[in-house]
Amino acid sequence: DTGVSQDPRHKITKRGQNVTFRCDPISEHNRLYWYRQTLGQGPEFLTYFQNEAQLEKSRLLSDRFSAERPKGSFSTLEIQRTEQGDSAMYLCASSPWDRGYYGYTFGSGTRLTVV
Amino acid sequence: AQTVTQSQPEMSVQEAETVTLSCTYDTSENNYYLFWYKQPPSRQMILVIRQEAYKQQNATENRFSVNFQKAAKSFSLKISDSQLGDTAMYFCALSSGGQGAQKLVFGQGTRLTINP
Repeated sequence: DTGVSQDPRHKITKRGQNVTFRCDPISEHNRLYWYRQTLGQGPEFLTYFQNEAQLEKSRLLSDRFSAERPKGSFSTLEIQRTEQGDSAMYLCASSPWDRGYYGYTFGSGTRLTVV
Repeated sequence: AQTVTQSQPEMSVQEAETVTLSCTYDTSENNYYLFWYKQPPSRQMILVIRQEAYKQQNATENRFSVNFQKAAKSFSLKISDSQLGDTAMYFCALSSGGQGAQKLVFGQGTRLTINP
């Protein structure tokens, strides 16, 4: 078990471009979560999946953001028409569906810089 | 809505000292869980300790312990015999119960520096 993997670690993009991030959770974990963390702040919830079903989305997830988990394994988070305000660390985490209260396992994050 | 507040943006102590990080929260749920996470510089977030709201006994993990005051909605973290490797951002987080905890609500974090 290699933990939660996120790719890429860093992404610099020009304003207006589309970007896609990938998260590979721990293989036996049914739940997958996306969070956004801006500099000096705590992570903010974006969305989570149980298997392939997206069960909750935050108001932070505007219509420019979309997340998928097509086969209940890895997940992608896409941001269309990026804005400078999208610059942040995007964190992925996973947990078993019935043991999330033991805490999640987080990935190392993808740091997005929009220039 | 659930909220978590950490009122100490930064703290600094000498190695081997004891330090306490504060956290208050608000929730209308009866079944919830509280967590402290550690985020070292440029590294991933790691779970330090967790507490079930229905348990009166304070959680302890080696040098880390909590003071859980349910009525006051307070959840502080005590680090004993602090070490240089404890230098990190520390986040307090809250999650409601149900079938496994769902989303976490985080505080703003406390930057802890352990000085040699």
